[in-house]
Amino acid sequence: DAKTTQPPSMDCAEGRAANLPCNHSTISGNEYVYWYRQIHSQGPQYIIHGLKNNETNEMASLIITEDRKSSTLILPHATLRDTAVYYCIVSGGSGNTGKLIFGQGTTLQVKP
Amino acid sequence: DAGVTQSPTHLIKTRGQQVTLRCSPKSGHDTVSWYQQALGQGPQFIFQYYEEEERQRGNFPDRFSGHQFPNYSSELNVNALLLGDSALYLCASSRIQGAPGNTIYFGEGSWLTVV
Repeated sequence: DAKTTQPPSMDCAEGRAANLPCNHSTISGNEYVYWYRQIHSQGPQYIIHGLKNNETNEMASLIITEDRKSSTLILPHATLRDTAVYYCIVSGGSGNTGKLIFGQGTTLQVKP
Repeated sequence: DAGVTQSPTHLIKTRGQQVTLRCSPKSGHDTVSWYQQALGQGPQFIFQYYEEEERQRGNFPDRFSGHQFPNYSSELNVNALLLGDSALYLCASSRIQGAPGNTIYFGEGSWLTVV
């Protein structure tokens, strides 16, 4: 079973920041938080991942709480092309070389 | 730099037949994983290959098998196809060095329809 809980859907106005929350209260010390998104009928697109520090790249920022039990993915200026299903995944641990367990994700609808 | 490439993109098979799907990992990657994604669901992990051996396996029957070649490319084979095997099959690649915590990239997938 997935180790994360996400809201099933969210809306965001075009040009505004999209903040997607994720709960992972059972995360263990050596597990990473990964974010992917999937646009209909395409393969999942890697966005960002982190262990405990906040991370930023050209696509998004990842904010992980100090206790690591939750995180937020931030898309700073959402566009219509950001409409997709966003998956928050916890992965790692001893012996795990990259197996990802997907949940249902959050469907983000960016509106004009 | 080509990313993860998969072939074929679409195919239709009849119940009881066998299918082989192919994957070439991203350049520099040596680990390949396969996922099945049914319509409306998130991807489900099938198995992972490294050094030409199956290293991890999800909850899939033995009808699902795979292979990894010396050049790190991989095949997914499904025997005795069932209607329920209709899905998007995704390949993902990563580097074993530094795992866990490496970036994992997905291909665009192969759409399999079983009729």
